[in-house]
Amino acid sequence: TQLLEQSPQFLSIQEGENLTVYCNSSSVFSSLQWYRQEPGEGPVLLVTVVTGGEVKKLKRLTFQFGDARKDSSLHITAAQPGDTGLYLCAGARWGNKLVFGAGTILRVKS
Amino acid sequence: EPEVTQTPSHQVTQMGQEVILRCVPISNHLYFYWYRQILGQKVEFLVSFYNNEISEKSEIFDDQFSVERPDGSNFTLKIRSTKLEDSAMYFCASSGDSGASTDTQYFGPGTRLTVL
Repeated sequence: TQLLEQSPQFLSIQEGENLTVYCNSSSVFSSLQWYRQEPGEGPVLLVTVVTGGEVKKLKRLTFQFGDARKDSSLHITAAQPGDTGLYLCAGARWGNKLVFGAGTILRVKS
Repeated sequence: EPEVTQTPSHQVTQMGQEVILRCVPISNHLYFYWYRQILGQKVEFLVSFYNNEISEKSEIFDDQFSVERPDGSNFTLKIRSTKLEDSAMYFCASSGDSGASTDTQYFGPGTRLTVL
């Protein structure tokens, strides 16, 4: 069974603080995707990382794929209330099936 | 920007009834998927579909489930005899034509299925 462990499960911070969300596995993934999901809606893609060690930036969000392609992180700089939401990581291995983490609920207080 | 669409947004049905959930994938995509998310739980893979046949399915996808691409645009998930435990959000997704596992999957907004 392929598992993606996501941590922390819940994060509550003040506006302007930095934070990091982690996604770890004992399995190697061909790619890893980060999504954001609002209540009652579908996951919306933030980024896909493919190469071990890859770093991608999306404004204040920085995504990193581990060298061994078993882990990934999402770092948010100077968090804003608009960043509040559920963040999901999902890894692809054999075939195209995605394995999802349990998600990190982020709350940014103003 | 192209997007995956799903109908209906909410489906309420009685236990034992058949339901069909509909999806229109992104038009140039060739791989199609169904996932489900039970309230408070992880998003789980159900099935992937390519070239008019199932390419992979999970243990959840038993004989009560079937998928079909009835025409050039729609992709459907049928549950033959719904059970209470089928209540969940069902998400359709699609990805591009390279066939590599690095293809990004784009998700629809979901159908909330409630089985009474």
